[in-house]
Amino acid sequence: DQQVKQNSPSLSVQEGRISILNCDYTNSMFDYFLWYKKYPAEGPTFLISISSIKDKNEDGRFTVFLNKSAKHLSLHIVPSQPGDSAVYFCAASAHNAGNMLTFGGGTRLMVKP
Amino acid sequence: DAEITQSPRHKITETGRQVTLACHQTWNHNNMFWYRQDLGHGLRLIHYSYGVQDTNKGEVSDGYSVSRSNTEDLPLTLESAASSQTSVYFCASRVDRGTGELFFGEGSRLTVL
Repeated sequence: DQQVKQNSPSLSVQEGRISILNCDYTNSMFDYFLWYKKYPAEGPTFLISISSIKDKNEDGRFTVFLNKSAKHLSLHIVPSQPGDSAVYFCAASAHNAGNMLTFGGGTRLMVKP
Repeated sequence: DAEITQSPRHKITETGRQVTLACHQTWNHNNMFWYRQDLGHGLRLIHYSYGVQDTNKGEVSDGYSVSRSNTEDLPLTLESAASSQTSVYFCASRVDRGTGELFFGEGSRLTVL
């Protein structure tokens, strides 16, 4: 049973518009959440994270929102750029489990010029 | 610059053969991990190590083994390769068990015929 789910395998957005990537989790012990970005033939790279004590974290064009009651987080990219086209992985960890990351299945974002 | 490298980047082998994928990091990180990436499953943890002589099983460890004889290397061995082990394998490292960033290698694509 997947503890971290990304229900949209792909998303297509026009350049300049907002991209919203969603992630749901089931384990209430998760207390730290991350987004990783992966280009083809490269390893994933860290993008942004959020602790469970916050509900929002912003870094430039990227904002992550956390809704603990719904066990849901989302990544907003504004404005979207063609270079943002990649696979985005949501990940979660629990302090009492050694902060081991559990990843979602990924969402492929395509930003069209 | 410190880095994490994987070799080989591409490997084709036959069912039943032993295969070893190498992972080498120069950050002096204590924690090292092996993941496999499959469509729809995201990144799944195979094995991990918190330090020299320490190894632990992950979510999908059957058919795989690792050894940690020094800080820099965590080779992944498939004792008898199976077609189900055709995948892209990623090595990653992290300084410790905290919520610090996980750094990934570029991946090793393994095909088992």
